[in-house]
Amino acid sequence: GENVEQHPSTLSVQEGDSAVIKCTYSDSASNYFPWYKQELGKRPQLIIDIRSNVGEKKDQRIAVTLNKTAKHFSLHITETQPEDSAVYFCAAVNGDSNYQLIWGAGTKLIIKP
Amino acid sequence: DVKVTQSSRYLVKRTGEKVFLECVQDMDHENMFWYRQDPGLGLRLIYFSYDVKMKEKGDIPEGYSVSREKKERFSLILESASTNQTSMYLCASSLYTGTSRAYEQYFGPGTRLTVT
Repeated sequence: GENVEQHPSTLSVQEGDSAVIKCTYSDSASNYFPWYKQELGKRPQLIIDIRSNVGEKKDQRIAVTLNKTAKHFSLHITETQPEDSAVYFCAAVNGDSNYQLIWGAGTKLIIKP
Repeated sequence: DVKVTQSSRYLVKRTGEKVFLECVQDMDHENMFWYRQDPGLGLRLIYFSYDVKMKEKGDIPEGYSVSREKKERFSLILESASTNQTSMYLCASSLYTGTSRAYEQYFGPGTRLTVT
């Protein structure tokens, strides 16, 4: 079946540094790629998303890039802060269903003071 | 604001019991989903529903069933609970219109189920 691979599984960065999380997907028909953040004990929430007709999208300190040819997309967080500590999930929409998301396994981001 | 609620935050059941987990959303969303979350395995889809009385199997449907009799309510049923079903269960809903962010899934707070 279709799948999304996410790396690394754990990422530890110094406060103020940048963090990059990478995902690859297999479904050529995918056209929507969201990123969710799950803080400890809380529900996952959408933080940014990108569609296949766009190569990059930015929202303050976070940005997402997409390379459709290589089938990979990345989340970039600059000037990391303690509140960025969380588990981040990438996903790709299932091209057959148009509403089902295929999820990556998650990245635990640790911000060191 | 979309609100997705789940019937329990914590649940402890015995092996062999029938377990009902209920999810309610208040935004008239067509799509509803049940996920299971385990450390290192991410979010695994159990079942989803795209309309009342409609359901489709996800990646790990074995041991589970679902019911959607009303648009706002989606129930997950464990017919005979087993210890390997101890997990965090997350419900989500989404609105499909084809417009931007129509795929966004809104999650409930989760139910941590322990089967002993």
